[in-house]
Amino acid sequence: DTGVSQDPRHKITKRGQNVTFRCDPISEHNRLYWYRQTLGQGPEFLTYFQNEAQLEKSRLLSDRFSAERPKGSFSTLEIQRTEQGDSAMYLCASRRTSGTLGDTQYFGPGTRLTVL
Amino acid sequence: AQKITQTQPGMFVQEKEAVTLDCTYDTSDQSYGLFWYKQPSSGEMIFLIYQGSYDEQNATEGRYSLNFQKARKSANLVISASQLGDSAMYFCAMREGGSARQLTFGSGTQLTVLP
Repeated sequence: DTGVSQDPRHKITKRGQNVTFRCDPISEHNRLYWYRQTLGQGPEFLTYFQNEAQLEKSRLLSDRFSAERPKGSFSTLEIQRTEQGDSAMYLCASRRTSGTLGDTQYFGPGTRLTVL
Repeated sequence: AQKITQTQPGMFVQEKEAVTLDCTYDTSDQSYGLFWYKQPSSGEMIFLIYQGSYDEQNATEGRYSLNFQKARKSANLVISASQLGDSAMYFCAMREGGSARQLTFGSGTQLTVLP
């Protein structure tokens, strides 16, 4: 399997601008997760998809955040009107419905967002 | 209450020695999974090892083993024969309830392997 890929790897933007990140999961992984990681902390769950359906959203996902997975393959995470507090690493993970390693989520390299 | 507690912000170990990274968890679910991930400075989360709550034997993967003590709700990671490349941040994580659920992570332990 090729791994989870994310694009871009780094994004610097000015406060108030919109940004969009893309995640391509491991092929045939039907579950896709987004997490946010701030400096010195562990990742925190944002949302997850099973195929194209968004099944759960964290309270961290404010109205300025929206995520899609239109065809059940890649996913996008958009942040509108960015704020300095949005500066973080955004991690995407995917997993199969079942596997020999339980329900292991495999992570991409992340997108590091800096809001000036 | 914290779901996952990692009490060691930083650890040092001499190359070729073994090291134990502590993790305690809190859940009322009977079915859950425990994971350890490694995060080098590059940022990618690398899966290391998994332990299911019903697994009777401790999980092992190469130089990694998970010391699972269910009654004490601990899931410590043991790295044997440390290598310089093991220097990284290590996160313990838990999946509660149904297998589709998200992971909850601890705050991590920064491991430094000394030559």
